[in-house]
Amino acid sequence: QQQVKQSPQSLIVQKGGISIINCAYENTAFDYFPWYQQFPGKGPALLIAIRPDVSEKKEGRFTISFNKSAKQFSLHIMDSQPGDSATYFCAAKGRGGATNKLIFGTGTLLAVQP
Amino acid sequence: DAGVIQSPRHEVTEMGQEVTLRCKPISGHNSLFWYRQTMMRGLELLIYFNNNVPIDDSGMPEDRFSAKMPNASFSTLKIQPSEPRDSAVYFCASIVGGLGTDTQYFGPGTRLTVL
Repeated sequence: QQQVKQSPQSLIVQKGGISIINCAYENTAFDYFPWYQQFPGKGPALLIAIRPDVSEKKEGRFTISFNKSAKQFSLHIMDSQPGDSATYFCAAKGRGGATNKLIFGTGTLLAVQP
Repeated sequence: DAGVIQSPRHEVTEMGQEVTLRCKPISGHNSLFWYRQTMMRGLELLIYFNNNVPIDDSGMPEDRFSAKMPNASFSTLKIQPSEPRDSAVYFCASIVGGLGTDTQYFGPGTRLTVL
C-alpha cells in the first residue's frame, strides 16, 4: 500500500514531442505528489509538485495531471527538448508534518532525440 | 548558498573494509535522509533523522549498516564490513521540515564500489 508504481521504465521522444510519464498509488493518505528530475552524475532535484485539491498544475513546459478517484498522476513535458533527457521519478508523501518521508517510484529514463 | 554536501564523491574499497560516507545538510534544515540508488532497486530510503534523532530506519538493509547524526550539521553512514552488493550511489537529502515544507534537497551522491 506504500508503493508508487511508475511507467514506462524508459521513453524515447523526438524533439518537440510530448513526453508522458504515469504513476499510480494505493494509499489514500498521500497528499503531496512531487516529480523529481535527475541528470547523470547528479542528485535528484524537485521539478514540480501537486496536492490533491487540484487536478492540474503547470509550470512552463511541465504539467502534472492528477486523478484523485483513479489514484493516478502523470507528468507531461510539452515541446520536449534534448536538455530534458534525464531520469524522472514520481513520489508521494503522507498527510501532515509528522513524517517527511517520500515514497519514490522506480524512475523513467527519458531520451529526447534531436 | 551551499547545497547538501557529501564526501567522498567516489569511494572504491575492498570487500570486508569499513566505509564511512559523510553528509552536511543545508543549514537550517532539520530533517536528513540517506538513500541508496541502484539500477535494480531504484531509489531506496535507508534512514531518516528529524532534529538529529533517527525516526525511521526500516530501510537499513542489515546490521552492517549504521547511521549517526551527532549534530544538526553532520551525518555519517557507515558500512562495516562492506560487501560487493553494497556497490551503489548513496545520496543524502535534507528538508526544512514542519508543516507545508516538502521539498527534499539532494546532495551530489557518493558512488561506492566494493571490489
